Amino acid sequence: NAGVIQTPRHKVTGKGQEATLWCEPISGHSAVFWYRQTIVQGLEFLTYFRNQAPIDDSGMPKERFSAQMPNQSHSTLKIQSTQPQDSAVYLCASSSGLGDYEQYFGPGTRLTVL
Amino acid sequence: GDSVTQKQGQVTLSEDDFLFINCTYSTTTYPTLLWYVQYPGQGPQLLLKVTTANNKGISRGFEATYDKGTTSFHLQKASVQESDSAVYFCALVETQVVGQLTFGSGTRLQVYA
Repeated sequence: NAGVIQTPRHKVTGKGQEATLWCEPISGHSAVFWYRQTIVQGLEFLTYFRNQAPIDDSGMPKERFSAQMPNQSHSTLKIQSTQPQDSAVYLCASSSGLGDYEQYFGPGTRLTVL
Repeated sequence: GDSVTQKQGQVTLSEDDFLFINCTYSTTTYPTLLWYVQYPGQGPQLLLKVTTANNKGISRGFEATYDKGTTSFHLQKASVQESDSAVYFCALVETQVVGQLTFGSGTRLQVYA
C-alpha cells in the first residue's frame, strides 16, 4: 500500500499564475479530503468528496479555489491567479468512508507563490 | 461550530521525562477525539483515538484520556525518547460520520538525549 500520493511535492509559482495540485487516494478509499497548513492558521479544512461527489466545501475560499474528483483514483485542487497568501502546504487525506473517520494523509504539496 | 484549543505551543524535555499535553474542546455533537503526530516533511498520522464510550486509548507507549466533565482530553507518555520529537495535534470529529477533522494548533515536542 503506497499510501496517499501527492504531486508535486513542491511548486513555485509567480503571482497571478495558476497552480494545480494532484492527489491519489489509497486504493479502495471512497472519501478524499483537502486541508491547508500554515504556521499562522494551522491545519484548515478546505473540502471533501465521498464517492467522487463533493460533500462539503465550506472551507474553500470562494474565489480562485476549486477542487474536482473526476474518478476514484485522483482528485485535483486548482488555484487560479495565485497570491502570496496562498503559500502553504496543501494536504490531501483519504478514508475508507464506511463510518470510518480515520483519515490517512499524504506528505503534502508545498506551494510557494512569489 | 466545533473547536479545539491546544495551548502548549512547544514542550522541551529530556529523554525519559514524562510528557503531558492537554486539549480542550467544544462541540454540540457526539465526538471522537484524536491525537495525530506529524514528523518533518510528512503529513499528520493518527496516533490515538478516544471515544466518549471508552474514555481511553493506548498506542506506542502513548496514552490518551478524556474527561467529559471538563471537555478536555490529554496525551501522556511515561518516558519520552528523542525519536518522539514531532508536532502533536489534537483533533475531533463527529463519531461515526465521515467528515472534516477539526484540529488544534499543535504542540511541538523537542526531546533531547
